[in-house]
Amino acid sequence: SQQGEEDPQALSIQEGENATMNCSYKTSINNLQWYRQNSGRGLVHLILIRSNEREKHSGRLRVTLDTSKKSSSLLITASRAADTASYFCATDATSGTSYGKLTFGQGTILTVHP
Amino acid sequence: DAGVIQSPRHEVTEMGQEVTLRCKPISGHDYLFWYRQTMMRGLELLIYFNNNVPIDDSGMPEDRFSAKMPNASFSTLKIQPSEPRDSAVYFCASTLSRATEAFFGQGTRLTVV
Repeated sequence: SQQGEEDPQALSIQEGENATMNCSYKTSINNLQWYRQNSGRGLVHLILIRSNEREKHSGRLRVTLDTSKKSSSLLITASRAADTASYFCATDATSGTSYGKLTFGQGTILTVHP
Repeated sequence: DAGVIQSPRHEVTEMGQEVTLRCKPISGHDYLFWYRQTMMRGLELLIYFNNNVPIDDSGMPEDRFSAKMPNASFSTLKIQPSEPRDSAVYFCASTLSRATEAFFGQGTRLTVV
């Protein structure tokens, strides 16, 4: 079963606007990661935030994590047409029997119009 | 390193045939994951290995699916017999250690007719 669930499922914005995607998960995690997938390609890692961190930045990316609400958000500022892709959150389980298990949400399809 | 390498990139086969997908992880990575991606079900984790040992295969859909990792540099995912509903993109990924960045291969697009 999928651990993370992203919303919205699809997001369409104009170039220059900010894009915010959310991820909710169910069980305790060690960290949460965000990935990007261009059509027909493999996933590419964007950023990792640990369970004891609340916010992290990388270039135009800002990720927040709220472990009490079991949710995370990915903000892309000043979006560009090249940001058009699917974005996934992934969680790493903490339970002993699933040590190291990395599961992904359904993803958000982001379309940035020039 | 050339990254995670999967082969073949595309596979078209007839229902009932055996299909073998291959993956070479990044050298030195301890974890290897097999995922299946479809429009309907998204990205599903099928099985993962730690130091060549299968840890969790609860995502393997049926006994028709099997995976092996005979050594640290090679893994296979086999479907026998294949069915049209197995059509999907299959990804392999590896990580240096637990809870670190996953590196994905380009995927194998499988079509079973």
